[in-house]
Amino acid sequence: NAGVMQNPRHLVRRRGQEARLRCSPVKGHSHVYWYRQLPEEGLKFMVYLQKENIIDESGMPKERFSAEFPKEGPSILRIQQVVRGDSAAYFCASSRQGRTDTQYFGPGTRLTVL
Amino acid sequence: QQQVKQSPQSLIVQKGGISIINCAYENTAFDYFPWYQQFPGKGPALLIAIRPDVSEKKEGRFTISFNKSAKQFSLHIMDSQPGDSATYFCAARLNSNSGYALNFGKGTSLLVTP
Repeated sequence: NAGVMQNPRHLVRRRGQEARLRCSPVKGHSHVYWYRQLPEEGLKFMVYLQKENIIDESGMPKERFSAEFPKEGPSILRIQQVVRGDSAAYFCASSRQGRTDTQYFGPGTRLTVL
Repeated sequence: QQQVKQSPQSLIVQKGGISIINCAYENTAFDYFPWYQQFPGKGPALLIAIRPDVSEKKEGRFTISFNKSAKQFSLHIMDSQPGDSATYFCAARLNSNSGYALNFGKGTSLLVTP
């Protein structure tokens, strides 16, 4: 009974490169949420997706960040032209149903931008 | 803007003691208050959650106390054990069709000494 899987677990990028973070939800879950955790901070909501749809991206920075959850395959959080301030832990959560359901978190991807 | 304020930032408790972590919120539209436990290098895991129609919820050694009028809620860990050493996050979620994002506190680092 696999939980939420994220890969890679650690990612190092140089400034200006692209970062792609992957999230496979719990089997049977069709709702995915991305959160970012900066050092000494709590998790901040970024985006909520259902299969093939972005429901709410109000927490996403306006530029360089995008997310998708295709019909087949994992959800992807993409950060273009990374900057040092993007260094953080990025967590994906999934739920079977929407708003009222428990969100189960993955182990996170720790992004370091050099 | 931090919608959920959590204290203390860190806490040291002796084995067998009671650990108490407090959270406060302003938005009366929040209707779901979970606590998450996070070990180093892992994702947050749901510990216990409460809705504002009850004042207390207990699961094993973990109890949430909820004070709706004061807009405060707290986590009590009875008979604290070294294995409870982790970071604890409180969170709150809006009661609305768009209320799927969890709003997290900044976290409390708990150390239980032998």
